Amino acid sequence: RKEVEQDPGPFNVPEGATVAFNCTYSNSASQSFFWYRQDCRKEPKLLMSVYSSGNEDGRFTAQLNRASQYISLLIRDSKLSDSATYLCVVTTGTASKLTFGTGTRLQVTL
Amino acid sequence: NAGVMQNPRHLVRRRGQEARLRCSPMKGHSHVYWYRQLPEEGLKFMVYLQKENIIDESGMPKERFSAEFPKEGPSILRIQQVVRGDSAAYFCASSTSDRLYGYTFGSGTRLTVV
Repeated sequence: RKEVEQDPGPFNVPEGATVAFNCTYSNSASQSFFWYRQDCRKEPKLLMSVYSSGNEDGRFTAQLNRASQYISLLIRDSKLSDSATYLCVVTTGTASKLTFGTGTRLQVTL
Repeated sequence: NAGVMQNPRHLVRRRGQEARLRCSPMKGHSHVYWYRQLPEEGLKFMVYLQKENIIDESGMPKERFSAEFPKEGPSILRIQQVVRGDSAAYFCASSTSDRLYGYTFGSGTRLTVV
């Protein structure tokens, strides 16, 4: 079983739609959780950290459920510029090592 | 603040040659990490370094790969006798000591072995 699992997609949604991505992680000792965004052939960029209390940044909301080992990302009012691959990332044991999911592709269309 | 700088952006090597990838962390960051992204795959951790020390190299292949972060100058990821399977994007990230705010990645080096 992969340490971090994501639905690869692609998710094709119209502009203005709300879309949700899910991610599960296998190690209950995982400590920190992030969503990164990666555009085609570019570096990953930190989108937001994820906390049990929930975390909102504009149109983006992230949530962590430790009991279910589940992380979510909700994007409201999708924009064309949101088209990218969204990477679920956890740290386990040493905080020095990030474990990446393979990503979920989002394509926002007119 | 120029961010994490990696060079070269693109590197082409013939099988059997050596590849040297360079990474300069963000100003004020003393921790450097190297990740590899194979085509159509996720990023995989390779090595974590602080100045003059390798802290965690659990993701490094046992042979041909080495990394350093000298007291002066950039971090170097060195791949000896490259093979086609080494073709990938190599990303470097840096962070402060507390790592509370995640990591900043460089724009990567795309290595192509022909």
